[in-house]
Amino acid sequence: AQRVTQPEKLLSVFKGAPVELKCNYSYSGSPELFWYVQYSRQRLQLLLRHISRESIKGFTADLNKGETSFHLKKPFAQEEDSAMYYCALSYPNTDKLIFGTGTRLQVFP
Amino acid sequence: DGGITQSPKYLFRKEGQNVTLSCEQNLNHDAMYWYRQDPGQGLRLIYYSQIVNDFQKGDIAEGYSVSREKKESFPLTVTSAQKNPTAFYLCASSNRAGKGYTFGSGTRLTVV
Repeated sequence: AQRVTQPEKLLSVFKGAPVELKCNYSYSGSPELFWYVQYSRQRLQLLLRHISRESIKGFTADLNKGETSFHLKKPFAQEEDSAMYYCALSYPNTDKLIFGTGTRLQVFP
Repeated sequence: DGGITQSPKYLFRKEGQNVTLSCEQNLNHDAMYWYRQDPGQGLRLIYYSQIVNDFQKGDIAEGYSVSREKKESFPLTVTSAQKNPTAFYLCASSNRAGKGYTFGSGTRLTVV
């Protein structure tokens, strides 16, 4: 069955430290992967998509098909990065998303 | 101002009652979705609709029902058959172009 695993419920770092939020997936086809973010009292919103190969707010994520991973990285965390982060996998041709359980990132000053 | 609107923000229901959560979008998106968000469990798909007058069950559809009579609207009914309805419900829409979802602000349902 298709599944998205985020092994860390909480990740705490100090400002300026590197951040890596882990995401592993199980899927038999060619997946489309996303990271969504939910800041305090805001709506869940798209952060980035693997097909775009873009960097948003300093975050990047590379799809590693060999390791079936899509880890989210940022070299220098900022306090405003504190939020809940969800990794998600899309079924082709449906846009139906499967979400991981989320990782809360806390960045301390 | 384009977007997706969920109402009400908070909803209280007595046990044994059905209740309907509203979701409206003016983004001209074809697809709409309902998720349930519980602490430690992430988002779980209840129902989704890729086109008007058509919808499919998600992973946890039991005790829920939906309709899609208009492109803009995708209401979710939580029936008395849902054993544990207290949760945060999120509605989303997409244009099916792989560009990701737009989410509503959610409805928190509490059974009293």
